[in-house]
Amino acid sequence: EIVLTQSPATLSLSPGERATLSCRASQSVSDYLGWYQQKPGQAPRLLIYDASNRATGIPARFSGSGSGTDFTLTISSLEPEDFAFYYCQQRAGWPLTFGGGTKVGIK
Amino acid sequence: EVQVAESGGGLVQPGGSLRLSCVVSGFTFSSYGMNWVRQAPGKGLEWISLISSSSSATYYTDSVKGRFTVSRDNAKNSLYLQMNSLRAEDTAVYYCARLNYGDYGHFEYWGQGTLVTVSS
Repeated sequence: EIVLTQSPATLSLSPGERATLSCRASQSVSDYLGWYQQKPGQAPRLLIYDASNRATGIPARFSGSGSGTDFTLTISSLEPEDFAFYYCQQRAGWPLTFGGGTKVGIK
Repeated sequence: EVQVAESGGGLVQPGGSLRLSCVVSGFTFSSYGMNWVRQAPGKGLEWISLISSSSSATYYTDSVKGRFTVSRDNAKNSLYLQMNSLRAEDTAVYYCARLNYGDYGHFEYWGQGTLVTVSS
């Protein structure tokens, strides 16, 4: 099983600041890595697929990078609606797995 | 507009069974692989099953193999999850999710989930 480790667990930032979230895989997943945003009581929303491609309707302030085992989700300037949980997910091997999540909270 | 809606959750005793359903609209259901993903209260996301567009392939996470069965009816735009021998650790919100390209990709569209509670 491919284990995804997200860091930090919690990120406390102010609106307008830059957020950098990390996801590390226990073995190479090539670029088969996605990122999701989830707010309390809501379903997850796909932000980035295959490491660096923004999903439909996702603002340009969200960007993804990386390949192999190390990946980054960057939010260039936090908007109030961006404070949420973020999960990475790999589709390179079975079972499909998610990281443990990063909470982006208001400082 | 793509719509995904799960149903069938509820309270069930340990060892019992439940069948979840997911009805979709707004896209050609028969062209996409579909998944079940769950989230235990206060916990992260866990993928549990995928079924290919034609039902020719199914995949499960180890913890549900032999207990859960995924199926679909393309004529009814519906996805199902038959859950048997339920355990307390199966308590979660169960989401139905569509892949973003054919039988591959990430989870692009999600329903709002249905809560399954396993308790005596």
